[in-house]
Amino acid sequence: NAGVTQTPKFRILKIGQSMTLQCTQDMNHNYMYWYRQDPGMGLKLIYYSVGAGITDKGEVPNGYNVSRSTTEDFPLRLELAAPSQTSVYFCASSWRETEAFFGQGTRLTVV
Amino acid sequence: AQSVTQLDSQVPVFEEAPVELRCNYSSSVSVYLFWYVQYPNQGLQLLLKYLSGSTLVESINGFEAEFNKSQTSFHLRKPSVHISDTAEYFCAVSSSGGSYIPTFGRGTSLIVHP
Repeated sequence: NAGVTQTPKFRILKIGQSMTLQCTQDMNHNYMYWYRQDPGMGLKLIYYSVGAGITDKGEVPNGYNVSRSTTEDFPLRLELAAPSQTSVYFCASSWRETEAFFGQGTRLTVV
Repeated sequence: AQSVTQLDSQVPVFEEAPVELRCNYSSSVSVYLFWYVQYPNQGLQLLLKYLSGSTLVESINGFEAEFNKSQTSFHLRKPSVHISDTAEYFCAVSSSGGSYIPTFGRGTSLIVHP
């Protein structure tokens, strides 16, 4: 099993550009999450999904969008990138109350 | 609402010394508690978890944590640390009150000196 796979690992965007961060899990988990990690700030929840077709905002959703058309995939879309979106992004998945499994992260720089 | 407070942002310690990383949580309902470890340029990995049952939980590499409901704490301890334990450690809580979505603390950087 691959677990949670994120692509790309690194990306540099120019201000105003858009991109999609891909996330796939092969554990048939119903819950999926997107977090961003900034130094000293821990992980902040951007969006989450409790099943295919169901998504909801987390703590810091502005500037992002998500969709969940299948159990396996949970892409994160950045529209009109801004320097404040420079961060490390982690996708994770879990069964309801059990531990989350994390991808290796995407390091995004907006210049 | 649920929240997690990790009281120390950085904990320096010498090799073979004991260490405690502190974690306090708040939640109005029953909780599930986790410690994750993050090595440089990697994702988070589960270290140990409390879901129910015994309040003392252990990891395979010598860490342990105790769920203390009255103190709303879940401190992580290890009696003798190694250089390889140098990493960032995150405490997390989930509960029915938070739709089972994990909330993470800000992390504690454990630095083990030779």
